[in-house]
Amino acid sequence: EAGVAQSPRYKIIEKRQSVAFWCNPISGHATLYWYQQILGQGPKLLIQFQNNGVVDDSQLPKDRFSAERLKGVDSTLKIQPAKLEDSAVYLCASGTGGHEQFFGPGTRLTVL
Amino acid sequence: AQSVAQPEDQVNVAEGNPLTVKCTYSVSGNPYLFWYVQYPNRGLQFLLKYITGDNLVKGSYGFEAEFNKSQTSFHLKKPSALVSDSALYFCAVRVGGGSASKIIFGSGTRLSIRP
Repeated sequence: EAGVAQSPRYKIIEKRQSVAFWCNPISGHATLYWYQQILGQGPKLLIQFQNNGVVDDSQLPKDRFSAERLKGVDSTLKIQPAKLEDSAVYLCASGTGGHEQFFGPGTRLTVL
Repeated sequence: AQSVAQPEDQVNVAEGNPLTVKCTYSVSGNPYLFWYVQYPNRGLQFLLKYITGDNLVKGSYGFEAEFNKSQTSFHLKKPSALVSDSALYFCAVRVGGGSASKIIFGSGTRLSIRP
């Protein structure tokens, strides 16, 4: 079974620029999560989708972050404009709504 | 507030010795608890979970965890450490129910196994 795919793996941008991350979950997984993991901290949930609907986006900074999962499969996370404090690893995970989540390798974002 | 705490930023153990990585939780109701491991430049990998039943849960790579309700703890253990166990370990707890449930992660503990 193929795992969760994410791209790009690394991205370096300057502050105030825009950036987008892509996630392809495991086939058949209805639930998709985006996490932000700042260096030295545990992952923090940004947004959770159930199919193409948002279940929880309470910790998503909506003034600059947006995410979509239009067809209930792939998802994109966008930051516009980026700030220095957005430097982190962005993890995508998927699941069946049960207890376990399967994580992708992450995208390491550096904002200069 | 529902949370999970990992009191140690780093744990150092000699290869072949037993290891323990500590985790305590604060949730309402019965907790669903997890351990994940993160190797450098890789995503999190699931190790084990406690949902109900036996307090000693066995997981991947020879790891196990003991659920202790009275101490609200879920410590990760391994009888004999390997150098390859060196990684970042996260304890996590599920909050909420059904499709609205989400996982809250601890801050992580870096495990370093010296040869």
